[in-house]
Amino acid sequence: KQEVTQIPAALSVPEGENLVLNCSFTDSAIYNLQWFRQDPGKGLTSLLLIQSSQREQTSGRLNASLDKSSGRSTLYIAASQPGDSATYLCAVFPSGTYKYIFGTGTRLKVLA
Amino acid sequence: GAGVSQTPSNKVTEKGKYVELRCDPISGHTALYWYRQSLGQGPEFLIYFQGTGAADDSGLPNDRFFAVRPEGSVSTLKIQRTERGDSAVYLCASSFLAGSGREQFFGPGTRLTVL
Repeated sequence: KQEVTQIPAALSVPEGENLVLNCSFTDSAIYNLQWFRQDPGKGLTSLLLIQSSQREQTSGRLNASLDKSSGRSTLYIAASQPGDSATYLCAVFPSGTYKYIFGTGTRLKVLA
Repeated sequence: GAGVSQTPSNKVTEKGKYVELRCDPISGHTALYWYRQSLGQGPEFLIYFQGTGAADDSGLPNDRFFAVRPEGSVSTLKIQRTERGDSAVYLCASSFLAGSGREQFFGPGTRLTVL
């Protein structure tokens, strides 16, 4: 059974810091892995999607990497800003299924 | 174009009541998904529609939960005899094509509170 774990559960950093969020999954048979952002009381905003054949994806200050064989992904946020404060969710799409399996998220707070 | 929309955004009901939650997918998207997110947790899959039919309802917790998509577009999630444990955010997503690995686009969710 696929399980997704995110570490840390919560993180508080001063503005300007570079930071790394971690995601691990137990079964490497996946189609893709996706990082989402969720603001309080809101839905999910897709940040980056990495196909299983890819190693990383970049968008602006965000970079996500995928090491499928070891079951790990990281989301790197450069030069963090208070507007980055949100919950970041990692989700994998297991092969042969139609549904995402989500982690429990990392709550990020960037202090001005 | 417009994204996935869900109504209502918030729903407060009393234990034992019946509720309906509505999802309007992105126009042209053939597949539709429902997820449930409890406080402090990640979303969990409930049901997946391919067109009008439920292709996978393995995530529905019990027979009080039912979902329909009669015309292959709008979907309604129906919960009978609500319980306090049903309180959660119910998220809907859609994808352009059905099939494994298709990127899903999420709506803003409906926050259900059962008193």
